[in-house]
Amino acid sequence: AQSVTQLGSHVSVSEGALVLLRCNYSSSVPPYLFWYVQYPNQGLQLLLKYTTGATLVKGINGFEAEFKKSETSFHLTKPSAHMSDAAEYFCAVSELSNTGKLIFGQGTTLQVKP
Amino acid sequence: DAGVIQSPRHEVTEMGQEVTLRCKPISGHDYLFWYRQTMMRGLELLIYFNNNVPIDDSGMPEDRFSAKMPNASFSTLKIQPSEPRDSAVYFCASAREGDVLTFGAGSRLTVL
Repeated sequence: AQSVTQLGSHVSVSEGALVLLRCNYSSSVPPYLFWYVQYPNQGLQLLLKYTTGATLVKGINGFEAEFKKSETSFHLTKPSAHMSDAAEYFCAVSELSNTGKLIFGQGTTLQVKP
Repeated sequence: DAGVIQSPRHEVTEMGQEVTLRCKPISGHDYLFWYRQTMMRGLELLIYFNNNVPIDDSGMPEDRFSAKMPNASFSTLKIQPSEPRDSAVYFCASAREGDVLTFGAGSRLTVL
């Protein structure tokens, strides 16, 4: 069975600092991996995804993530945090394809301090 | 494109009442998903459809929950009777085959 673990339900960084949100997954087959962002009172928006190929994936708003099979990880990073990055971030895994049953982590709330 | 449209955005009801949540997927998308978000359980997949046919409903909590997709442009999630523990944000999402999901803004349900 698939599962996703996001380490740290709350992460706080200063504006301009590195953002690192951790995600580890469990999957019996090569996974499809996703990061979504949720702003208050809004739906989820796709930040980036990994399917196959290059393990370093770039997404919107300057975010990127690296798929590390040996570590079963897919951590999300951004070199310099902006106030507008404050939101909740969800890591998700799917075994089937881009389109299928997404299993989400519990989410990490990112706070950005001025 | 208007995106995935959900209604109502907010619903407050009393225990025992019937609740119907509605979703209009993006035109041309042949997959539709219903997710529930709570503080305790996070985001859970309830059910999903492909070409209007339910494919996996293993996440539907119990018989009080039902979902239908009578045509490609409309789906409902019904709770009857509702209970306080059903309070959550319910998301609908749609997608084309091989493409990523697009989520609606959600329906926030409060059952008193």
